[in-house]
Parts: sequence; C-alpha cells; structure tokens
Amino acid sequence: EPEVTQTPSHQVTQMGQEVILRCVPISNHLYFYWYRQILGQKVEFLVSFYNNEISEKSEIFDDQFSVERPDGSNFTLKIRSTKLEDSAMYFCASSGQGPYEQYFGPGTRLTVT
Amino acid sequence: AQSVTQLGSHVSVSEGALVLLRCNYSSSVPPYLFWYVQYPNQGLQLLLKYTSAATLVKGINGFEAEFKKSETSFHLTKPSAHMSDAAEYFCAVRENTDKLIFGTGTRLQVFP
Repeated sequence: EPEVTQTPSHQVTQMGQEVILRCVPISNHLYFYWYRQILGQKVEFLVSFYNNEISEKSEIFDDQFSVERPDGSNFTLKIRSTKLEDSAMYFCASSGQGPYEQYFGPGTRLTVT
Repeated sequence: AQSVTQLGSHVSVSEGALVLLRCNYSSSVPPYLFWYVQYPNQGLQLLLKYTSAATLVKGINGFEAEFKKSETSFHLTKPSAHMSDAAEYFCAVRENTDKLIFGTGTRLQVFP
C-alpha cells in the first residue's frame, strides 16, 4: 500500500541553524501539507502546497519557513534559523485529486537545543 | 471559525467494552469530518471520514462514527474494545479550505 515517507525520523540541531525536513508523498497525489505537533499539544496546520505554489499557510508559517518541491517526488520544509520553540514533531501529508483524505507520514521529531 | 472539541482527554475501558470517543465541531458550512488514530511513536492513520454522504460512517478496525448535524457531533464508537485499540484518537474538521483543524486528542486505554 502506498504511503508517505519522511526523513530523518529524528533531527537534533542547535538554535540558529537551518534544517530541512524531507518528505516523499504518495506518488499520484497532487496536494501536499506540513503540520506540526508540539509535545502534549494538538496537531497544527502549517502550510498546503498545490500546483507548485503555496495555497494556504497559517500564522505559524512565517518568513523563517519555506517549502519546496524540488523534483517530482520530494517535498521539503526548510526552517532557516531554528528557535527552541520549533521543537516539535513535523508531519507531512498528501492527498489525491481532491483535498479530502489526507494521508500522513510517520513524522520527523525536531529537537532544537 | 471552524473548531473541534474532544471531550475527555483520557478514556479507559475494559477489553470487550463499548468504546465511545466524543467529538463536537463548529462550522459555518457543512463540514468534512475525520477521525485519525496515532499509535505510540507513529504517525496519524486515517480511521474514517464523513464527506456529506451517509451519516453513519464505517472505518477500519471496527470503528464507526455518526454525523449528527442537530448536535454538531461526530462521535467515534466501537462495540467491543481490543487491547490493540490503545492509542490516541484525533477528530478533525475541514471546511472549504485545505487545512485540517484537529481536536486536542483523546488517549484511549484498554484494560484486560
């Protein structure tokens, strides 16, 4: 069964460093998303991406964040200068023809020290 | 604005007992509603979805949910709990934008 994959599973970085989180969505999907879950809190929407551009973003997704689909298979989230409060589990998701069912990857746990 | 409320951050049941996890939503338009399950150290797995077809929706692992517009509810049920059902369950709503709005989650414990 097709699934969303994410790498790395765990990333530790120092405050101020840039990180890139990588995702491979399900191959025939057209809509891509990033969410995050700070420990003990709810899952929060960050950004959606369709047709090679951002279709919606939350107030969390400020200038420090960017997304890219560099090729036909990968979807990345970059944080330019990490802060302690960026520590969270980051989930990538994708959906098919219509943005109904979103399928989530296993997540990348980002720890900023 | 759309929102989701999950009553009860923790629910404990005995194996074989009925599981009932509550979800109420707020939406200005007919919503799409979802239940996701998160097993320890894993991602979110879609259990079931409501997209304005049948109000009683059947999902995987014997779970089902009923959309009740008059009560703005989408409670998740399973007639007989199994030890493997222990996990965190999230209700989510989507209106006419891309994003899912999640509830705070309910941790289900199943005792033998």
